[in-house]
Amino acid sequence: QQQVKQSPQSLIVQKGGISIINCAYENTAFDYFPWYQQFPGKGPALLIAIRPDVSEKKEGRFTISFNKSAKQFSLHIMDSQPGDSATYFCAASMQRGATNKLIFGTGTLLAVQP
Amino acid sequence: KAGVTQTPRYLIKTRGQQVTLSCSPISGHRSVSWYQQTPGQGLQFLFEYFSETQRNKGNFPGRFSGRQFSNSRSEMNVSTLELGDSALYLCASSWQGTDGYTFGSGTRLTVV
Repeated sequence: QQQVKQSPQSLIVQKGGISIINCAYENTAFDYFPWYQQFPGKGPALLIAIRPDVSEKKEGRFTISFNKSAKQFSLHIMDSQPGDSATYFCAASMQRGATNKLIFGTGTLLAVQP
Repeated sequence: KAGVTQTPRYLIKTRGQQVTLSCSPISGHRSVSWYQQTPGQGLQFLFEYFSETQRNKGNFPGRFSGRQFSNSRSEMNVSTLELGDSALYLCASSWQGTDGYTFGSGTRLTVV
């Protein structure tokens, strides 16, 4: 019940296209859903995050769509660029009680072809 | 402002030895978490410290321990190293743990 399932494992997108990565969770106590981007040799960097009281959040070319009833959330990268090529992780946590243990998905390796 | 600093960046240890990794959080951040990243298991939570107290712990054996100092700097220790402990160990800091975490670049530990 603590798992976060992420798909696809890898993704190839043409420059200018839309990249979509999906995640699903079971534990309805999760109340914070961030997405992280990781480049080789670096730690994960927070991209965007959402809480379950909203269905969508957009920051620049990155959008999170959240479906509370289906227990699913997804990351959309619009106008994908070669510089977006990285590994993306979704995560979930229960922030009530002020403990922020992140449960990560297994990651998606995105390659944006020029 | 300076990010999360982890030292050393790379470490090679022999099976059975112990190791200590260090993390300096972003100035003002009081919550520090540690994660292990491996190709097989992905990113797994080790523990979280807030104001020098361990607030949460993951499912790792007791060989993995940590502590946090009054200046919020944190260390993690792994005793009796096993080959399977080879991983990237990541430290992340947050103001109080209920907002976004900033990760360091990690310490790459290789156990031979």
